[in-house]
Order: sequence, then C-alpha cells, then structure tokens
Amino acid sequence: SAVISQKPSRDICQRGTSLTIQCQVDSQVTMMFWYRQQPGQSLTLIATANQGSEATYESGFVIDKFPISRPNLTFSTLTVSNMSPEDSSIYLCSVPGTEAFSYNEQFFGPGTRLTVL
Amino acid sequence: KNEVEQSPQNLTAQEGEFITINCSYSVGISALHWLQQHPGGGIVSLFMLSSGKKKHGRLIATINIQEKHSSLHITASHPRDSAVYICAVSTASGSRLTFGEGTQLTVNP
Repeated sequence: SAVISQKPSRDICQRGTSLTIQCQVDSQVTMMFWYRQQPGQSLTLIATANQGSEATYESGFVIDKFPISRPNLTFSTLTVSNMSPEDSSIYLCSVPGTEAFSYNEQFFGPGTRLTVL
Repeated sequence: KNEVEQSPQNLTAQEGEFITINCSYSVGISALHWLQQHPGGGIVSLFMLSSGKKKHGRLIATINIQEKHSSLHITASHPRDSAVYICAVSTASGSRLTFGEGTQLTVNP
C-alpha cells in the first residue's frame, strides 16, 4: 500500500489569497489525482497529475485557478488561487496501486480542509 | 443520471442492527470500491471488488456484475461505524474513480 501525507491538514484563508497544498507519497507513482469535496457533496476530480507532463484538468477546472506541480514521482502540489468562499472544501490527493496486483486499488491522503472567509 | 448511485442517502440505526447500503452503476468497470469517510475528512478504503463477495470482520461487500449492483453490509452495527460510506468505480486499471453521493450512517447506542 502507499502512505500519503498532505500539508496543511486544514487552513482558514481570506478571500483573494492563494493556498498551496502539498502531497507526499512514500513510493514512486506515475499518476496522482487531486479531488475536491465541497460541503455535503461527494468527491469530484480536479485533475490528474503525471510526472513530466502537464496536468490534465476535468471539465469545469482550469489551470489558472488550480495550478499543479509534479516535480518528481513522489510529490505534487495543488494551488487554489484567488480564493472565494465557494472554494471552501476538502482537497484530497490519491494514487493508484503500483504493483501489478494492486493497480485497481486507490490510496488517499488525509485531506486538507480549507475554509475561505 | 449519475454514473454511480447510492441508496439510501441517510441511514440511522440502533446498535446491533444489520445494515445494508446499495450501489448501482451504469458504466463498464474495472473495479468497484467501498470507502469510509469519517468526520475529519480522511478516506479509508474498505473493499475493492471486481466480482463475487469479500468479508472483513463485520463488513461484507458483494457485487453482481451482470446487474451492475453492489451492496455493503454491516453486521452487529456499532456507534463507531458511524461515518459516510462511499461507493466508487474505476473504469480502467489505475484510472481515476467516479464516486457516488455517499451514505451518511449514524448508529445510535
């Protein structure tokens, strides 16, 4: 299994500012997923971050608002830019299994709970 | 129509009761996942299924590929089982997940 850590675990931010969320995995992974969970909602995929290439964004999410870095196979960052209260959510990173018997598995970070005032 | 639908949305039970949460999906899948999310937000993977049935302690998950339906059962429920239970599917090995809306379970002592 993969162990994933996220920083910060929670933050309260002012409207108009930006926050960068870090995701660290204890093993090398090709793909990392960034999800958003708005209050009372299920998870929605923001983007898929592949090392060495541009992130692939889902409909409704754009790079200017959610820039992603993927400098190596164990680390990624998601920035929430120019925040508004509607960005208040839990942000989670996730990775698939890395062994042939576990490719279908998914491992999740503990999440970053963001509140925008 | 969502690709993954769960029922019920909310479920309240008394300690000791047998609980069933249902999940239906409309796409071809590589695997179906049952996840547990506690109030802090962290998500734990309970089961990953591509066929048949799996059991872990008091939890049982079944899947019927032909009917595109899965169930999560909790036997002898306990207040510590209170959480949101989420059904999710992957359409290809190693791919992103598509999530159901989740079922908020509350087990009262």
